[in-house]
Amino acid sequence: DTEVTQTPKHLVMGMTNKKSLKCEQHMGHRAMYWYKQKAKKPPELMFVYSYEKLSINESVPSRFSPECPNSSLLNLHLHALQPEDSALYLCASSQPSSGNYGYTFGSGTRLTVV
Amino acid sequence: GDSVTQMEGPVTLSEEAFLTINCTYTATGYPSLFWYVQYPGEGLQLLLKATKADDKGSNKGFEATYRKETTSFHLEKGSVQVSDSAVYFCALKGSARQLTFGSGTQLTVLP
Repeated sequence: DTEVTQTPKHLVMGMTNKKSLKCEQHMGHRAMYWYKQKAKKPPELMFVYSYEKLSINESVPSRFSPECPNSSLLNLHLHALQPEDSALYLCASSQPSSGNYGYTFGSGTRLTVV
Repeated sequence: GDSVTQMEGPVTLSEEAFLTINCTYTATGYPSLFWYVQYPGEGLQLLLKATKADDKGSNKGFEATYRKETTSFHLEKGSVQVSDSAVYFCALKGSARQLTFGSGTQLTVLP
């Protein structure tokens, strides 16, 4: 299995809702990432988990809350989002210490905040 | 810090034309270099990579050579197809082991 699977593919939520994005990989990768991507822009790093521990938080607002329940799963909990948070949210995975390998990305969740 | 500069788009070509997308980088040490492709409505896919100077990465007819002397990793394809229409991102992984992306280049291939 060489895929990163993200669910749901599309999500529409109100500003008072609570929702979660899910990401799963079975490649044995021990680093997992959340990125936010706006249209026609490169992905922006949000969070990095290495060996199930949060290692990087790129000053992301607290309305985004990551969770890594085990080495295969990564969640992003959403609460009280703003319309400007509408974007494509990408999950990726890799081996933490290998410089020679890129990241494997999922297909993303297209989030719309209304 | 590390940075990647990509040629501004959008780029529009006719089918079977030659493609070059320029990419230069700034990094300390010896980064690994990557090209990712993003088709409409999808995530990023690794297209090719090179991990040391003079390495050539290739995949699906695309090629890029790691040029340390010019700090470049230009993407080329001899004959593009309509199905190559996508956004292409150059990226590096440096000493911090995090991916740094260029701004992306939109390619449209017309039949």
